[in-house]
Amino acid sequence: GDSVTQMEGPVTLSEEAFLTINCTYTATGYPSLFWYVQYPGEGLQLLLKATKADDKGSNKGFEATYRKETTSFHLEKGSVQVSDSAVYFCALSETGNTGKLIFGQGTTLQVKP
Amino acid sequence: DAGVIQSPRHEVTEMGQEVTLRCKPISGHNSLFWYRQTMMRGLELLIYFNNNVPIDDSGMPEDRFSAKMPNASFSTLKIQPSEPRDSAVYFCASTTPEGSKTQYFGPGTRLLVL
Repeated sequence: GDSVTQMEGPVTLSEEAFLTINCTYTATGYPSLFWYVQYPGEGLQLLLKATKADDKGSNKGFEATYRKETTSFHLEKGSVQVSDSAVYFCALSETGNTGKLIFGQGTTLQVKP
Repeated sequence: DAGVIQSPRHEVTEMGQEVTLRCKPISGHNSLFWYRQTMMRGLELLIYFNNNVPIDDSGMPEDRFSAKMPNASFSTLKIQPSEPRDSAVYFCASTTPEGSKTQYFGPGTRLLVL
């Protein structure tokens, strides 16, 4: 079945450092890919998405490119801030029109001043 | 537009009591999902509905858990009787499967069973 694998956390960075959180997927069809962010005490929020191969999703300085050849959707940001500290979830849309998303296990990011 | 609305935001109850969590999806969305999040198990999909019909309840942990969606604008998740291991944050999310497939999450209900 479809699945998503994220890099293990926690990831600890200093402010202004470069961020990469790896995400790879397995899918039988052509899923849409998502990054969600969860700030402490809150629900998950969509950060960015890409709906087809080679698409780049971007938002708030974060970006990720849908790579079909490597089945990856790595999240990057050039300069992180303390306010980016959160849990980041990679997800894909399940094959077929169910609306169901398959989530990775989440990666905790802590940014220190 | 209002997002997904969940109530209550916090619930503290004693073991054995019935707990009912409520969710109002975004207007026009026809799919609704209930998730549970704990430190130990992460984010788990419990059940989801399309057009008010339960499609997949394989994530519901036990018969003590039940969910209903009597109409397009309301869903409940009930735990009866509750146990301490049910303590978690429960999220509701909604989407339109035919569209962008983006799920929109509510703020969650933080449940503590003593």
